Amino acid sequence: GAVVSQHPSRVICKSGTSVKIECRSLDFQATTMFWYRQFPKQSLMLMATSNEGSKATYEQGVEKDKFLINHASLTLSTLTVTSAHPEDSSFYICSAQIPGILIYEQYFGPGTRLTVT
Amino acid sequence: GQQLNQSPQSMFIQEGEDVSMNCTSSSIFNTWLWYKQDPGEGPVLLIALYKAGELTSNGRLTAQFGITRKDSFLNISASIPSDVGIYFCAGQLDNRKLIWGLGTSLAVNP
Repeated sequence: GAVVSQHPSRVICKSGTSVKIECRSLDFQATTMFWYRQFPKQSLMLMATSNEGSKATYEQGVEKDKFLINHASLTLSTLTVTSAHPEDSSFYICSAQIPGILIYEQYFGPGTRLTVT
Repeated sequence: GQQLNQSPQSMFIQEGEDVSMNCTSSSIFNTWLWYKQDPGEGPVLLIALYKAGELTSNGRLTAQFGITRKDSFLNISASIPSDVGIYFCAGQLDNRKLIWGLGTSLAVNP
């Protein structure tokens, strides 16, 4: 149980284009999902918290107009990188939280490697 | 952003050896989580700890939630080559956000 998928696993796009990354919880409903980015040999950096049916909460320094998050259902959240630039190239990982009173475990997707040329 | 102090930064050991790594924080956490990340993959949850003093095992892995709620350790016994990867600790606040350690890179020599 607690499987999270991401699509695509890798994407290469040209500068100025937009890219959408999907995150799905396959065997549970996730009211809360998180989006992270990770640079090589570094820890995960939280970008935003995505709540089903409401606006995402962005971390300080993350441009909400550039990284659009939509959590339209209990099993799907999407991250759209708009007008991508080479500096947006990174490893993007989503996680989904199993809802519960005391249990706050996060389960991660396999990640999406974005390369902007 | 806030990060946890995780040590050691890297380890290179012989197969069969035991491994120990730890995380400390200046803040109190309600939950400590330990993850392993393989190259090009997302982190995989290894152990979750919910109570101060709690000692939990998962196969060859053992982790403890420090009594002060500001630290945690992870032990791996009898290491094998597939233990190679980066291990992250994460502390969780009431708002459910995870605060991450910088990771411990483990290399195992067969």
